Amino acid sequence: AQSVAQPEDQVNVAEGNPLTVKCTYSVSGNPYLFWYVQYPNRGLQFLLKYITGDNLVKGSYGFEAEFNKSQTSFHLKKPSALVSDSALYFCAVRVTNTNAGKSTFGDGTTLTVKP
Amino acid sequence: NAGVTQTPKFQVLKTGQSMTLQCAQDMNHEYMSWYRQDPGMGLRLIHYSVGAGITDQGEVPNGYNVSRSTTEDFPLRLLSAAPSQTSVYFCASSYSYLMDGEAFFGQGTRLTVV
Repeated sequence: AQSVAQPEDQVNVAEGNPLTVKCTYSVSGNPYLFWYVQYPNRGLQFLLKYITGDNLVKGSYGFEAEFNKSQTSFHLKKPSALVSDSALYFCAVRVTNTNAGKSTFGDGTTLTVKP
Repeated sequence: NAGVTQTPKFQVLKTGQSMTLQCAQDMNHEYMSWYRQDPGMGLRLIHYSVGAGITDQGEVPNGYNVSRSTTEDFPLRLLSAAPSQTSVYFCASSYSYLMDGEAFFGQGTRLTVV
């Protein structure tokens, strides 16, 4: 079975400071990893993904994430937070085998960036 | 580009009523899925489809039916609504069941069962 953990329900940072939203995963096989963002009363929007290759992936709005296979982590980062980054963030995992279609999402982390 | 369109946006049902949540995508995506989002529980997969005529159950399928007669449409049917089905429902699609593509989500249907 595959699972995703986002250990922090809430992350608070000041505008201009770096931010990190944590994600760890558990799968049997090679993972595909994704980050999505959800603004109030909206659907989820794709930020970035790791499929293979470079462990550091860059995505939308200045976000990046680092795949760490030994720690089974895929933390989301941004060097300088904006108030407009405040939202709910989800990490998701799939595996590259016959488990077709089944993505597993974390419970989400609410990011609040204060001016 | 419409993307993934869900209707209705809001719905109130009485216990025992049935209804269908509509989902359509115009991106010719093979893979479509339904999730429910509840506070503190993330997104849970209800049903999914890897192509027209093919559907399968996800994590929480009880009380819901789906069908996929066309590539574009993937309706979710609530057979007999229960208060436990009060939730926000999201439809998502991605271009291939091979799973390396990101998902595109609709804007959600907020359902209340009284």
